[in-house]
Amino acid sequence: EAEVAQSPRYKITEKSQAVAFWCDPISGHATLYWYRQILGQGPELLVQFQDESVVDDSQLPKDRFSAERLKGVDSTLKIQPAELGDSAMYLCASSLVRDALPFFGPGTRLTVL
Amino acid sequence: GQSLEQPSEVTAVEGAIVQINCTYQTSGFYGLSWYQQHDGGAPTFLSYNALDGLEETGRFSSFLSRSDSYGYLLLQELQMKDSASYFCASINQGGKLIFGQGTELSVKP
Repeated sequence: EAEVAQSPRYKITEKSQAVAFWCDPISGHATLYWYRQILGQGPELLVQFQDESVVDDSQLPKDRFSAERLKGVDSTLKIQPAELGDSAMYLCASSLVRDALPFFGPGTRLTVL
Repeated sequence: GQSLEQPSEVTAVEGAIVQINCTYQTSGFYGLSWYQQHDGGAPTFLSYNALDGLEETGRFSSFLSRSDSYGYLLLQELQMKDSASYFCASINQGGKLIFGQGTELSVKP
């Protein structure tokens, strides 16, 4: 069964360091999402791609976060520098078309010390 | 603003029935979905309602009333493994999924 892949699954870093997360969506899925989930809250959309183009990054803290999907397939989310408040689960999801329900990957749990 | 409201926690006993309500206020609304999340895991899809009415999938059912901006998830024959967080999420124009804050369900023996 096709799945969304994410790595690493866990990351511990110190504040002010740079971190990067990788996502490989289900093959053929044009839409890719990055969500952030703080403990005890619901996931919040950070960025949405349609193929290689950013469709929505209104909630992405652009001073420290960046996301790219250069060839319209896999994607990387970067944080530089990391802050204590960035500790959260980072979830990647993909959908076949823009208005379809997305499938979620297993997530990357980030701890910033 | 866009928001979904659901109770923060619910407790029930094994074998019982529990209903988790969700009210929403979003623009470009297409439908309401429900996700289950166990501690440390990713959200897993449970159910989706695009039209008014009841959708049944095994022990889980979901209901939507567009006129009331309201939906619920019904869990029957509760089992211990159903203890988890449950999120309602609206899917909106452009494919944007907006989540509620989650309801923590505790199933007691």
